[in-house]
Amino acid sequence: DVKVTQSSRYLVKRTGEKVFLECVQDMDHENMFWYRQDPGLGLRLIYFSYDVKMKEKGDIPEGYSVSREKKERFSLILESASTNQTSMYLCASSPPGGYNQPQHFGDGTRLSIL
Amino acid sequence: GNSVTQMEGPVTLSEEAFLTINCTYTATGYPSLFWYVQYPGEGLQLLLKATKADDKGSNKGFEATYRKETTSFHLEKGSVQVSDSAVYFCALRRGQGGSEKLVFGKGMKLTVNP
Repeated sequence: DVKVTQSSRYLVKRTGEKVFLECVQDMDHENMFWYRQDPGLGLRLIYFSYDVKMKEKGDIPEGYSVSREKKERFSLILESASTNQTSMYLCASSPPGGYNQPQHFGDGTRLSIL
Repeated sequence: GNSVTQMEGPVTLSEEAFLTINCTYTATGYPSLFWYVQYPGEGLQLLLKATKADDKGSNKGFEATYRKETTSFHLEKGSVQVSDSAVYFCALRRGQGGSEKLVFGKGMKLTVNP
């Protein structure tokens, strides 16, 4: 089974802090994704990466950056956390080119910015 | 562009009731279609998928048929259980040669009472 592990289930940070959310997958997947999930808005894609050191903006990249130095690890960075970034963050991975292949999700990090 | 529209709920049913969650999509080409489920406190899990017209995906008593003529992928279950209480997301992924990204509906929260 594919395992996608997010480093923290719950995280509390302060406004203005630099926040790192880590995600690791164990299936050698090329593609990795970061989403945020908010009530009434569903899942929105922040960034995704289709290879090491490659990244593409999703639908809501403002205020975020990402890092992919190794294939198995994809980090989401909140450069200067703000209260409107309080949310559930979900990481996912999938194999390349397999349009009929699902994405595999981690359990999520619930981030609160005070 | 590609989009997914689904019933948003929330919906409350009694155990053994029949469930239908409507999902319609707009997409170019021939997308693959997915239903994901999110149990309380967890990430998303793939429930079922269909990759071409008239395909039927099924899992855990749930079924959905890819209807190209009505651009729909409605989720059904004949007799729901308390353990089916969760949030359900419909999603599409463009066909071969398309983006790796999934497009999600906003999700529907289902509560099943004993």
